[in-house]
Amino acid sequence: KQEVTQIPAALSVPEGENLVLNCSFTDSAIYNLQWFRQDPGKGLTSLLLIQSSQREQTSGRLNASLDKSSGRSTLYIAASQPGDSATYLCAVWAGANNLFFGTGTRLTVIP
Amino acid sequence: GAVVSQHPSRVICKSGTSVKIECRSLDFQATTMFWYRQFPKKSLMLMATSNEGSKATYEQGVEKDKFLINHASLTLSTLTVTSAHPEDSSFYICSALKGTEAFFGQGTRLTVV
Repeated sequence: KQEVTQIPAALSVPEGENLVLNCSFTDSAIYNLQWFRQDPGKGLTSLLLIQSSQREQTSGRLNASLDKSSGRSTLYIAASQPGDSATYLCAVWAGANNLFFGTGTRLTVIP
Repeated sequence: GAVVSQHPSRVICKSGTSVKIECRSLDFQATTMFWYRQFPKKSLMLMATSNEGSKATYEQGVEKDKFLINHASLTLSTLTVTSAHPEDSSFYICSALKGTEAFFGQGTRLTVV
């Protein structure tokens, strides 16, 4: 069974810093990998979807990379802002209908 | 993108009553929807996969008679928590599949008193 791990579990950075969130998965045979953001008590917002044939995706200040062979993905956030404070979840598609979530990284950006 | 609407966002109910949560895909048709539950400080746990026109597929350990799922149309799936107990209090989130991408509802905070 696919296991998804995210490190660190929590991260605090001062505003303006660049940061990297890490996600690792045990089975490299994946369909896609998706990064989400969750605000407290709210649903998930999809940030980036990387298809298995892709290496990275970019959206604004966010850049996600995927290395299937090593079972890793990173989410890079440039010039962090207080509004970026949230929990970031990595999820791996192990099949068309099988989505496995990591435990998340709780990010706090300090003004 | 695509929009998935979940209703209600918050609900408080008494023990023993049933609660229905709706998940709608507003601007696309979704043959497949998922229901998740999130415990405090834990990741999302898949409860069941809802397929339009057929019975839902439940994950191991999820009571199908307690968590009734109906996916009667391509834009609506419902989760009914029957005979709710305080331990059912949780955050429930649905998602709908559009192609290979999942779009999530806003979640429902259920509190059973």
